[in-house]
Amino acid sequence: GAGVSQSPSNKVTEKGKDVELRCDPISGHTALYWYRQSLGQGLEFLIYFQGNSAPDKSGLPSDRFSAERTGGSVSTLTIQRTQQEDSAVYLCASSQQLNTEAFFGQGTRLTVV
Amino acid sequence: DQQVKQNSPSLSVQEGRISILNCDYTNSMFDYFLWYKKYPAEGPTFLISISSIKDKNEDGRFTVFLNKSAKHLSLHIVPSQPGDSAVYFCAASYNAGNMLTFGGGTRLMVKP
Repeated sequence: GAGVSQSPSNKVTEKGKDVELRCDPISGHTALYWYRQSLGQGLEFLIYFQGNSAPDKSGLPSDRFSAERTGGSVSTLTIQRTQQEDSAVYLCASSQQLNTEAFFGQGTRLTVV
Repeated sequence: DQQVKQNSPSLSVQEGRISILNCDYTNSMFDYFLWYKKYPAEGPTFLISISSIKDKNEDGRFTVFLNKSAKHLSLHIVPSQPGDSAVYFCAASYNAGNMLTFGGGTRLMVKP
């Protein structure tokens, strides 16, 4: 597609439920990143995929968070047993392997009630 | 430990004047720096970048300055326009293609 696409754009879920957030990166981009922005905060790195290498999971805040990238393209971020502090805008970005300019999707606003 | 810091959470500037947004970093391995702009309810969009081999990069009204010895970069917007009102994030990386480390952002408000 023309840009990074994320779905859903908004998600309201009850505390304790699991959620899945989807990211379709720009075609041909081998690097894919997940960030989140909590209210009034900056961009917090979560996880990073680069080609076929093992993902860099160093930013995941807890073991309730996981992400996968199937076929080197679409990525899913899963949050299990959601908590209210998980409420944030989750942003996905992709970039070409040798290009550090990352293009962001519009984000998924997650609200845990 | 924040490797990229934007110490001013907000900045207010009159239309037509210069906006200067600052960013400091601690990791001397960073060799590529970027500025992103973010409007509410949208993802960040790339604005301008600079490689560590340069000390200045200009694109229209936007200029980024890099001072490697001070580990400091700044974004200048001249002249500022009301449409520039947004949150600006600086970001840094090393080894092209690696993850970007973002600062906390500065909210710029340009008053008409």
